[in-house]
Amino acid sequence: EDQVTQSPEALRLQEGESSSLNCSYTVSGLRGLFWYRQDPGKGPEFLFTLYSAGEEKEKERLKATLTKKESFLHITAPKPEDSATYLCAVQDNDYKLSFGAGTTVTVRA
Amino acid sequence: ETGVTQTPRHLVMGMTNKKSLKCEQHLGHNAMYWYKQSAKKPLELMFVYNFKEQTENNSVPSRFSPECPNSSHLFLHLHTLQPEDSALYLCASSQIGGTGSSYEQYFGPGTRLTVT
Repeated sequence: EDQVTQSPEALRLQEGESSSLNCSYTVSGLRGLFWYRQDPGKGPEFLFTLYSAGEEKEKERLKATLTKKESFLHITAPKPEDSATYLCAVQDNDYKLSFGAGTTVTVRA
Repeated sequence: ETGVTQTPRHLVMGMTNKKSLKCEQHLGHNAMYWYKQSAKKPLELMFVYNFKEQTENNSVPSRFSPECPNSSHLFLHLHTLQPEDSALYLCASSQIGGTGSSYEQYFGPGTRLTVT
């Protein structure tokens, strides 16, 4: 069974204080690893897809990286508007998507 | 907006009521999904429809009944629910199959369901 574990569960940052979120996974054939952002009371918003180890994707202050066992989401010089829950998910060769429980990031001004 | 809409956004129902959740996608995708999101827990996949055919049912109780009349619309019919069914119900869509597809799922805003 595919498993996704995200850490830490919660992260409190000062504005401008860079940090990283971890997503470790086991999957029977990785088709893709996805990062989503979710704001309270809303649906997850797609951020990145990573397909193979060594791949990196960037969007504004966010950078996602992938190895064979884990992915990191780096937040560089975060701003209060980066506060959200970040979800990681893996898709196996049957297109089944398995999500982690998420990391809730709070950025204080 | 992601191109996936859900109605209603909030629903309060008694355990003996019957209600339906509606989802519509405007992305031209061929697969649609229902997820349940409870506090502090990962999203739980409930149902998958691929080309209007149900391809997955993750041991969901029969008090939840999905319907997919076409590739753009998805319903979740609810009856005799329990208080533990209170959660955020999310609809998503994606493209499956073919070369060059990214396969990422796009989510609607969700329906916040409270069962009293």
